[in-house]
Amino acid sequence: GQSLEQPSEVTAVEGAIVQINCTYQTSGFYGLSWYQQHDGGAPTFLSYNALDGLEETGRFSSFLSRSDSYGYLLLQELQMKDSASYFCASDSSYKLIFGSGTRLLVRP
Amino acid sequence: NAGVTQTPKFQVLKTGQSMTLQCAQDMNHNSMYWYRQDPGMGLRLIYYSASEGTTDKGEVPNGYNVSRLNKREFSLRLESAAPSQTSVYFCASSEEGRNSYYGYTFGSGTRLTVV
Repeated sequence: GQSLEQPSEVTAVEGAIVQINCTYQTSGFYGLSWYQQHDGGAPTFLSYNALDGLEETGRFSSFLSRSDSYGYLLLQELQMKDSASYFCASDSSYKLIFGSGTRLLVRP
Repeated sequence: NAGVTQTPKFQVLKTGQSMTLQCAQDMNHNSMYWYRQDPGMGLRLIYYSASEGTTDKGEVPNGYNVSRLNKREFSLRLESAAPSQTSVYFCASSEEGRNSYYGYTFGSGTRLTVV
């Protein structure tokens, strides 16, 4: 089967750095994506890693290690608006399979 | 630039009723997808269409059917609704069959309640 594991909840302080981990077991793996979803909203694309290493997009960075079947999303200089759910998703065989999501709460 | 448009936004059905959820994209994307999201959970793939003229089952296809009407439109049909199908349904599209670096674009969702 295919599965992705990520923590259910993370809490951090405004201005801090937080890391959300994701481990996966999928067949036909091409890459790992990250999506953000605010309550009541639609998921929005954040980043994609096809190769091992770090991808940086502004305050957000994402990392992939294929040998460890592991990735993470790093959020820097946290802002209140970053409070949302974050999903890792495995790009496998022409479709995305999502993890169950990590709810990030940013406190002032 | 509308992106992905889903209709309706809200729907209440009685058990056993049927309905079709509509989805259209204006980005000339090849691939389209239907997901459902239950409270506090991730998105589960129902069906997808890698390109016009093809459809394939996802993780949870039972109780659903799909039609890729043309390149723009991908509909999801519930033939006989059940309370277990109460969920938020998201349609998405992508530039090609593989996610690539551009990601999926999601519609705003259809909130369906089956009573």
